Amino acid sequence: DAKTTQPTSMDCAEGRAANLPCNHSTISGNEYVYWYRQIHSQGPQYIIHGLKNNETNEMASLIITEDRKSSTLILPHATLRDTAVYYCIVSGGNQFYFGTGTSLTVIP
Amino acid sequence: GAVVSQHPSRVICKSGTSVKIECRSLDFQATTMFWYRQFPKQSLMLMATSNEGSKATYEQGVEKDKFLINHASLTLSTLTVTSAHPEDSSFYICSAGPPSGTYNEQFFGPGTRLTVL
Repeated sequence: DAKTTQPTSMDCAEGRAANLPCNHSTISGNEYVYWYRQIHSQGPQYIIHGLKNNETNEMASLIITEDRKSSTLILPHATLRDTAVYYCIVSGGNQFYFGTGTSLTVIP
Repeated sequence: GAVVSQHPSRVICKSGTSVKIECRSLDFQATTMFWYRQFPKQSLMLMATSNEGSKATYEQGVEKDKFLINHASLTLSTLTVTSAHPEDSSFYICSAGPPSGTYNEQFFGPGTRLTVL
């Protein structure tokens, strides 16, 4: 079963930062936090993952709280192409159980 | 990132027939692949774990005799939907990983849209 809770939907203005929260209060010490996104009728696309430290790559930044019970995915300058469903997944192995995700709409 | 392909991308079949979906890791070897199903406006649901050279492991509630999985090589897993019915119409997605050097990162295929008439 999914171990994460995310808001159902969010809007973000184009060019602004999109901050997507995720609660994972039952996360275990060996479990990573992964973020994927799914654009309509496509397979999920990997964005970023982390264990306890904040992470940044060319797509996004991941901020994990010190107690690891929640995290935030940051898209620094949202574009219309970032409109998608964003999934936060917690896993200690390679089996992923998807929650309901957040539907992000970037508004022109 | 690593590339995973699926074939076909779309398939329409008659009720009672069987349909095979292929999942390939194109530029890495995957001892484990995963199959998911996604109904409209819903999230992905893990169906089974496909292990190279051994039997697949199915999630609770997934009929192993209906969804046959074969993982005959390190780059290919197949899902066969046997005696398909309209309620099996769905978007089927596979994932594979991790590629060597990454930690449990999964790469997803583009999905196969199955419509059973």
